[in-house]
Amino acid sequence: SQQGEEDPQALSIQEGENATMNCSYKTSINNLQWYRQNSGRGLVHLILIRSNEREKHSGRLRVTLDTSKKSSSLLITASRAADTASYFCATDNRSNYKLTFGKGTLLTVNP
Amino acid sequence: EAGVAQSPRYKIIEKRQSVAFWCNPISGHATLYWYQQILGQGPKLLIQFQNNGVVDDSQLPKDRFSAERLKGVDSTLKIQPAKLEDSAVYLCASSFGELAGVYEQYFGPGTRLTVT
Repeated sequence: SQQGEEDPQALSIQEGENATMNCSYKTSINNLQWYRQNSGRGLVHLILIRSNEREKHSGRLRVTLDTSKKSSSLLITASRAADTASYFCATDNRSNYKLTFGKGTLLTVNP
Repeated sequence: EAGVAQSPRYKIIEKRQSVAFWCNPISGHATLYWYQQILGQGPKLLIQFQNNGVVDDSQLPKDRFSAERLKGVDSTLKIQPAKLEDSAVYLCASSFGELAGVYEQYFGPGTRLTVT
């Protein structure tokens, strides 16, 4: 079963705009990770946020975590065509740290 | 550093045939994962190894799938016999530590399997 669910399923924006993707999950977690997958580079880890953290930044990426709402968001600022990819959140199980991926958000950045 | 290597990249077989995939993880990574990714979905864990021992194979269809990591380095995943629903991309990943949620996973390019 899939723990995290990304929203929206697909998102299309223009280059330079910001993109926001959301992830909701059902059971308590220790950590949440975001991954990106495109045909060129495969599946790549972007960022990990721990359950006691509320916000984390990495370059143009900003991740927030709200454990009370069991949700996370990934913001990509000043998007580029190269950001076109599927983005997955992956949550672990609080008891055994087992990682489960969502179905992903397909982001298309138009030049 | 060299990434996770997988072969073959593509494989087409007929149903009821057998197939094997190979993975070589990043040097020094004790933990190795095999995932199945069906089109339009996220990766689903099939099996996790810590060195040459199995940590989790709860989602591995053991009647047809098998995997081994005999020397604690490279690994093979086998399907015998294949079914149409096995058509998917098979991803291998490795990480430094055993706790999957704690450590970043590094993924290989995957093997795209088509069963006809």
